[in-house]
Amino acid sequence: KNQVEQSPQSLIILEGKNCTLQCNYTVSPFSNLRWYKQDTGRGPVSLTIMTFSENTKSNGRYTATLDADTKQSSLHITASQLSDSASYICVVSASHDMRFGAGTRLTVKP
Amino acid sequence: EAQVTQNPRYLITVTGKKLTVTCSQNMNHEYMSWYRQDPGLGLRQIYYSMNVEVTDKGDVPEGYKVSRKEKRNFPLILESPSPNQTSLYFCASSPSIGPYGYTFGSGTRLTVV
Repeated sequence: KNQVEQSPQSLIILEGKNCTLQCNYTVSPFSNLRWYKQDTGRGPVSLTIMTFSENTKSNGRYTATLDADTKQSSLHITASQLSDSASYICVVSASHDMRFGAGTRLTVKP
Repeated sequence: EAQVTQNPRYLITVTGKKLTVTCSQNMNHEYMSWYRQDPGLGLRQIYYSMNVEVTDKGDVPEGYKVSRKEKRNFPLILESPSPNQTSLYFCASSPSIGPYGYTFGSGTRLTVV
């Protein structure tokens, strides 16, 4: 069964610190992997999209990595800000099949 | 502004009373989809549409209907809502299937009592 597992479930860090969120998947055949940021009560907003041939992709302070061999992805956030407090969702696609992770809830404290 | 518009944002209804949640996009996207989000479960796909008059079931289609008569609109219909359909619903669109970012609506919080 195609699955997407995210860890940790929740994370609390201090403003200015870095953090890394993990995404492991079993979706096959792999098409692409997306990371989304979802503020409370709002719709998810796309951060990055990665295809099979891409190892790293950055969007400002967000850097996503992909290891298609081990079926793992990570989202690294540098110099965190209070506005980074949100849920981060990993989504893995296989043709028409999209699988969503349950998300990591990140809280950035001053 | 490019966006996906859902209405209503909040809805409280009673069991069995038919309701429709509207979704409209202004980006000429071919692909549209409905999701429900429940605590600890992540987003689950209800129905999707590849283009006008082309719809298909997602993971949790039971109790829902959709239609795609026009490219911009993709309403979600609950013919006889039940309390287990209480959830946060999102509509999304993208140019087509593939490595494209999905644009999500702001969500509809539905409570069925």
